[in-house]
Amino acid sequence: NAGVMQNPRHLVRRRGQEARLRCSPMKGHSHVYWYRQLPEEGLKFMVYLQKENIIDESGMPKERFSAEFPKEGPSILRIQQVVRGDSAAYFCASSANLGQETQYFGPGTRLLVL
Amino acid sequence: EDKVVQSPLSLVVHEGDTVTLNCSYEVTNFRSLLWYKQEKKAPTFLFMLTSSGIEKKSGRLSSILDKKELFSILNITATQTGDSAVYLCAAPQTGANNLFFGTGTRLTVIP
Repeated sequence: NAGVMQNPRHLVRRRGQEARLRCSPMKGHSHVYWYRQLPEEGLKFMVYLQKENIIDESGMPKERFSAEFPKEGPSILRIQQVVRGDSAAYFCASSANLGQETQYFGPGTRLLVL
Repeated sequence: EDKVVQSPLSLVVHEGDTVTLNCSYEVTNFRSLLWYKQEKKAPTFLFMLTSSGIEKKSGRLSSILDKKELFSILNITATQTGDSAVYLCAAPQTGANNLFFGTGTRLTVIP
């Protein structure tokens, strides 16, 4: 039973480029959450999605960041025109049902912006 | 505003010691409290607590919730070097499904 999968595990981008981070939830899970962890800080919520719907994006910066979870395929977190301050670990978590509060995390994507 | 505060921020112990990690919370519509262990990668789920006074155990780890005093503790007995990690406490945010995390306690177990 595969857990939450994320790729790539490490991503290096130059300022101004785009970063695309992918997340496949656990089998049977239809709720996906993205969190960001800055160096030496806690996990901060960014966005919550179900298939084809963004449910809550209150934690996501209004500009340059977007997320989707299409009917087929993984959820994608997209960062356009990356800046050095975007360097962080981005974690995806999934849960089974609405109200199922246990979220299972993927291994994260470590983004480094040069 | 919801708050989750963990203490201590870091802790260094010797193998075999017992440690207690603390998590206090202020969440308007409390539903549950979760503990995760984070080594260099994904936070791995340890416990979810919803009821006061009922201890959850998994091997050398145990946790309990006090809903009156608004805190939880995570105990690790007979610590091993493999217990070295950041331990995260989280609660579902009021009116939302995402988790609100504390900053974690970094535990280092030295041989």
